[in-house]
Amino acid sequence: DGGITQSPKYLFRKEGQNVTLSCEQNLNHDAMYWYRQDPGQGLRLIYYSQIVNDFQKGDIAEGYSVSREKKESFPLTVTSAQKNPTAFYLCASSLPGLRNTIYFGEGSWLTVV
Amino acid sequence: QQQVKQSPQSLIVQKGGISIINCAYENTAFDYFPWYQQFPGKGPALLIAIRPDVSEKKEGRFTISFNKSAKQFSLHIMDSQPGDSATYFCAASNERAAGNKLTFGGGTRVLVKP
Repeated sequence: DGGITQSPKYLFRKEGQNVTLSCEQNLNHDAMYWYRQDPGQGLRLIYYSQIVNDFQKGDIAEGYSVSREKKESFPLTVTSAQKNPTAFYLCASSLPGLRNTIYFGEGSWLTVV
Repeated sequence: QQQVKQSPQSLIVQKGGISIINCAYENTAFDYFPWYQQFPGKGPALLIAIRPDVSEKKEGRFTISFNKSAKQFSLHIMDSQPGDSATYFCAASNERAAGNKLTFGGGTRVLVKP
């Protein structure tokens, strides 16, 4: 079945460590996104990519990095520079252009211990 | 700066009742207004969406009302069912802008009591 796969579902990180969240899609979508979800604040855009080898910062990119080497994959690295990384991270994808729905993965929970 | 404000933060409704969630936006360039439904531990899923050329859109028990002059839109869930218990997010985007980026409201947790 087509969809967006995020892994791992749950991840614990020690302070000072970088961690990478995986996002893979087999929907043949060109655009991919990373959102962060915190209670009461909705979803905030971290990074997005419209095509391979290109990506743009969203509203809260500080402390995060991404790569887009393949159309299907858009991994997110949470670096030690991110001061408050504990959150629910959502990957999404869409076709470019007008009237195209953004589809979300199941999310990854990151907890700093 | 929050460009889409959503209220209430939480809502309790009896089975069969009407759930109403309101959103207000600031950016007049927004031209696409979807609502997403999210169950605990899952990613959001598109529920229904509207564009400014219409004032209302209905799909089953879910209706969006849109007031362009007031820059407000709302979701009505008619005949609410326990299975509707979820968090609902309104969102907005400017589809002509690069990236098809959605700006989300803060979410409303809806609990439907049987």
